[in-house]
This record gives sequence, C-alpha cells and structure tokens, in this order.
Amino acid sequence: DGGITQSPKYLFRKEGQNVTLSCEQNLNHDAMYWYRQDPGQGLRLIYYSQIVNDFQKGDIAEGYSVSREKKESFPLTVTSAQKNPTAFYLCATTPGTSVYEQYFGPGTRLTVT
Amino acid sequence: GDSVTQMEGPVTLSEEAFLTINCTYTATGYPSLFWYVQYPGEGLQLLLKATKADDKGSNKGFEATYRKETTSFHLEKGSVQVSDSAVYFCALSDLVWDDKIIFGKGTRLHILP
Repeated sequence: DGGITQSPKYLFRKEGQNVTLSCEQNLNHDAMYWYRQDPGQGLRLIYYSQIVNDFQKGDIAEGYSVSREKKESFPLTVTSAQKNPTAFYLCATTPGTSVYEQYFGPGTRLTVT
Repeated sequence: GDSVTQMEGPVTLSEEAFLTINCTYTATGYPSLFWYVQYPGEGLQLLLKATKADDKGSNKGFEATYRKETTSFHLEKGSVQVSDSAVYFCALSDLVWDDKIIFGKGTRLHILP
C-alpha cells in the first residue's frame, strides 16, 4: 500500500523537552512538507523540502528543525524554543509534477504540558 | 502575494439541503485550484481540482468551476448528507511560486439529520 505514515498519532511531552515527529512516505514523491494546524487557523507551513539534503523554511519555522537525509523520510523536531507547541501536525507530499496537489498523512496531535 | 479567501464557518445545514461554500483567490500567475476535505482527527484528502479557467472539478457529488473572471472556485453539492460533515479547505498552487500550496482557513460544515 502506498501512502504517508505519521507516528505516533498522539504524543505527550513535558515543557522544555525536544520531540521528533516522524513522517515516512513510499509514494516516491519528491517534495515533502510540514504543516501545523490550530483550531480556526487553517494550515500554516513550517518547513518543506524538494530534494534530499535540502529544505526551506516556511511561514512559521521558528522553534522547529527538520532533516531530509532520505527521500522517504522528513522528520520534524519541535524544540523547547517553540513557545506554543501543542497542535496538530500534518505531513504532506507532492510528486513534483506541475500540478501541485498534495497528499497528506493522518497527522500527529502533540500535547505539551 | 497569492491568497485564498473562503467563507467563515461553521455552516449548518439539514440533510438533503443545497450546499455552497464560497472561495475566491488572488494570484499573479496561472494557478491550479483545489478543494480538500478533512474529517475529524484525520489528515486532508483531495476532493477535487481544476487546472485552468472554466474547468469543472467534480467528485462524490461535489462540484466547483474555475472562474477566472470572478477569481472564484465555489464548492457546491446538490444534496448533502450527514457524512459530509467535515472541514473544507480551498487551495491554490501557482506556477510563479512553484513550491507551495496556499490554503484557505477552512470552513467547518455540520449536516443535521
């Protein structure tokens, strides 16, 4: 089955701890994205990567970091510098064709207390 | 920059009612337009798309027509069901920007039995 896997579905952390969210895809898509979703605010782009070993900041990159060592994987680290980390995090991919429809994973809900 | 504006929710309708969710956009290039749907606790799924002016996207009884003259892409369905209750996002990808998809803030739809 081709798809995007995000794990875990729910994640709980104490304030001050870094946490890494996993995103894996077997669609052979070139580009991968991380979004944050808060109630009533839609989707906000955190980071994105079009090729291995390269990534760009999105609109709200502060307090987050990413890596793209493999085409299939794009993990997101939420650092202790992120002031309001509790949110629903969505990973997405695009095949890199001219019509940039995105394919989304099921999301990870992070709660920091 | 490019942007998407969609009607604020929540929108509450009775089953079998006619649905319209308005979406307008601004873009400097030649965008492709999308509607995504998000069911509770899940990631987004592509509902339909249109890649050029006057194209009509359709899926699962939903339709939207790409109107360049009014810069609109309104979502319609003739008879909604309880299972259509979800959040709907209008989005565009613009070849000028090439890397990103711009999402609207989402419209929550409640269908009453």
